[in-house]
Amino acid sequence: AQKITQTQPGMFVQEKEAVTLDCTYDTSDQSYGLFWYKQPSSGEMIFLIYQGSYDEQNATEGRYSLNFQKARKSANLVISASQLGDSAMYFCAMREGRLGTGNQFYFGTGTSLTVIP
Amino acid sequence: GAGVSQTPSNKVTEKGKYVELRCDPISGHTALYWYRQSLGQGPEFLIYFQGTGAADDSGLPNDRFFAVRPEGSVSTLKIQRTERGDSAVYLCASSSRGAKETQYFGPGTRLLVL
Repeated sequence: AQKITQTQPGMFVQEKEAVTLDCTYDTSDQSYGLFWYKQPSSGEMIFLIYQGSYDEQNATEGRYSLNFQKARKSANLVISASQLGDSAMYFCAMREGRLGTGNQFYFGTGTSLTVIP
Repeated sequence: GAGVSQTPSNKVTEKGKYVELRCDPISGHTALYWYRQSLGQGPEFLIYFQGTGAADDSGLPNDRFFAVRPEGSVSTLKIQRTERGDSAVYLCASSSRGAKETQYFGPGTRLLVL
């Protein structure tokens, strides 16, 4: 089974609108971390936001927020007020296990976001 | 800023040749990771170092792939007898022990095996 599933290969959003990128994960660990990265055409992976499995509040970082639904094992990324510079690939990732126990990350296949002016 | 750096940025080689890819992590980061990213895919884990030792090398596809980190800082990924299927972007990331252990990535090395 896939550890991380991103079901939207491509998404379009109008500039200044909000968009949600879906991510579901699969783990039997109680302790894990969830991450979103942005990869523009230049290729570098840029860290956006983190959610720990024990965090009760949804994570927010500026225009990015993570809609964490633990029972559904989903960790959707919400980008508010989209900008043209948000056009990129977006990857959801998971770190299984307690911190410091071996930190293999699993990545999804990504969602390509295009912001339309 | 002193982010993760990788050299070379691009490498073209012939099938059967040996290549070395270098990663210089963020200063003070004890953990270092190598990933391989094929076109249209997410990064695929290869190996993880904590300090000088390979804590997890379960992602290395076969014994042609090897990585070292002799002094706990710079790491080299070595690929012997390269094959066309090895063509990909090789990403390096580092992280520090802490609340999130977020991985910070370098720009990658684009390897093309002809």
